[in-house]
Amino acid sequence: NAGVTQTPKFQVLKTGQSMTLQCAQDMNHEYMSWYRQDPGMGLRLIHYSVGAGITDQGEVPNGYNVSRSTTEDFPLRLLSAAPSQTSVYFCASSYSLEGGYTFGSGTRLTVV
Amino acid sequence: AQTVTQSQPEMSVQEAETVTLSCTYDTSENNYYLFWYKQPPSRQMILVIRQEAYKQQNATENRFSVNFQKAAKSFSLKISDSQLGDTAMYFCAFKLDKLIFGTGTRLQVFP
Repeated sequence: NAGVTQTPKFQVLKTGQSMTLQCAQDMNHEYMSWYRQDPGMGLRLIHYSVGAGITDQGEVPNGYNVSRSTTEDFPLRLLSAAPSQTSVYFCASSYSLEGGYTFGSGTRLTVV
Repeated sequence: AQTVTQSQPEMSVQEAETVTLSCTYDTSENNYYLFWYKQPPSRQMILVIRQEAYKQQNATENRFSVNFQKAAKSFSLKISDSQLGDTAMYFCAFKLDKLIFGTGTRLQVFP
């Protein structure tokens, strides 16, 4: 049971480049979310999904896109990377509204 | 919008002692869920304890327990018999359809 898998673990981008952070879970969880973690600011919600085909914005959605074509996958796309997007990104999933989230191991992204 | 506040950026405790981390939240909803997560230096997010708002009984998981005061919108975490391995960031979180986190408390357990 792999849980929540995030790839890559580290990435360096140049300003203006685009890329996709991958997230996959094998637990058949309906709920999935993306967070960014910055020093002193905790984890801030970027986008979330309550099931395949359904996504919504979180607290800091600007500059990011998501889609949820399958239950298993929830990729996060950076359209045009900016230094302000330098952060650690976490993907997480939950089986139900009542359950806690299981987190991936994170992606450290640096935009230069 | 729901908000979660952790007013203690840093705390320290001696091994074997008890420490309490504070958390308050703001919501107009009646049914929701509250969580405490631990993030050690490895960066992995680990669920510590969970509380349903409709339950008056405080949740307990081994050395970890909560003091849930619904009217006051307070959800503190008590760690008993602190161990060196408890050194970590601790995040309080509130959940309706999405999970919202506080800014965290860095806990240092020293010998």
